[in-house]
Amino acid sequence: EAQVTQNPRYLITVTGKKLTVTCSQNMNHEYMSWYRQDPGLGLRQIYYSMNVEVTDKGDVPEGYKVSRKEKRNFPLILESPSPNQTSLYFCASSRTSSPLHFGNGTRLTVT
Amino acid sequence: DAKTTQPPSMDCAEGRAANLPCNHSTISGNEYVYWYRQIHSQGPQYIIHGLKNNETNEMASLIITEDRKSSTLILPHATLRDTAVYYCIVRPMTTDSWGKFQFGAGTQVVVTP
Repeated sequence: EAQVTQNPRYLITVTGKKLTVTCSQNMNHEYMSWYRQDPGLGLRQIYYSMNVEVTDKGDVPEGYKVSRKEKRNFPLILESPSPNQTSLYFCASSRTSSPLHFGNGTRLTVT
Repeated sequence: DAKTTQPPSMDCAEGRAANLPCNHSTISGNEYVYWYRQIHSQGPQYIIHGLKNNETNEMASLIITEDRKSSTLILPHATLRDTAVYYCIVRPMTTDSWGKFQFGAGTQVVVTP
């Protein structure tokens, strides 16, 4: 089944403790992207990747890192999480210029 | 800032057509209009997209005005399962700029029995 898989679905952590949210797609898509969603703000793009080893900042990249060493994986790294990064995170992928496929989301709480 | 404007909410009676407007007055010639929806806190789901012609698929119809400054998503026979937040976005199709695009706040559609 074609899908975008995020892990974990839920994560509670403490300020400053490094964490990684994984994203994997099995559709051989070139494009992958991360979004965060906060109440009343819709989806905001954090980082995106047009292909392996190519990443670019979205609208809210501060406090996040990404890497794209393989086509199928696009992990989101929070080196030193802070409470303002508490949010619902979505990963998405697509072929070039095609509709996005989204994962089921990761709900992160930073205390 | 998002390049689209949508009403924050609208209600629709079950079985009736739901017409969701979107304003994208600054759209460029190389930008498509996409619609997605998000049910509860699930990942957004693609509905339909178009450039300048009207489009129809099994989920919805998309009507784009001739000047392309606005569009309407039509759900022909709304059901309770269509209750969701609907997002209208514009997405450039040139290879050097299509990766970065913005979702607005969307329209919360509530379908009532």
